[in-house]
Amino acid sequence: DIQMTQSPSTLSASVGDTVTITCRASQTISTWLAWYQQQPGRAPKLLIYKASSLQSGVPSRFSGSGSGTEFTLTITSLQPDDFASYYCQQYDNYPWTFGQGTKLEIK
Amino acid sequence: EVQLLESGGGLVQPGGSLRLSCAASGFRFSTSSMNWVRQAPGKGLEWISYITSSGDTVYYADSVKGRFTISRDNAKDTVFLQMHSLRVEDTAVYYCAKTGGANWFDPWGQGTLVTVSS
Repeated sequence: DIQMTQSPSTLSASVGDTVTITCRASQTISTWLAWYQQQPGRAPKLLIYKASSLQSGVPSRFSGSGSGTEFTLTITSLQPDDFASYYCQQYDNYPWTFGQGTKLEIK
Repeated sequence: EVQLLESGGGLVQPGGSLRLSCAASGFRFSTSSMNWVRQAPGKGLEWISYITSSGDTVYYADSVKGRFTISRDNAKDTVFLQMHSLRVEDTAVYYCAKTGGANWFDPWGQGTLVTVSS
């Protein structure tokens, strides 16, 4: 199975900040990577697919990059609604696997 | 509007069975592959099962293989997850999710909580 490792596990930031979350795959996955946001008590929501493609309706302050084994999710100009948990997911190979998550907290 | 609505969760004893349903609306269900993903309390996301649009191909995570069965009824726009031999570690919120263009998940249902406890 492909292992996905996110860092950091927790991130503290303030409204208006720019933050970056990293996701590493245990083997190359080309750009077959998605990012999700999950608010407490809510279902996950797709933000990014194919490593850098922004899902329709997602604000442009979210961006993704990377290929192979290393990927990043960057959020610029943090808004109050952005404080949530974020997960990466590889879909290069079954079984599809997720990173352990990054919790973005208000500083 | 695309919607997925899970039901069937609840409290069950270890070794018991439960059947989850996910009713879809707002898209062409019969041409969409579907998934179940779960999240244990306070933990991350775990994909557990996939079914093609026709139902002829299914995949399972090793953690549920041989105990869970995914199926679908395209006439009723519903996907199911039959769970047998439930364990305490199967306690989780179970989400159904539509497969995106490749194999990402979008959208997700609101989830249904399964609690396995004596």
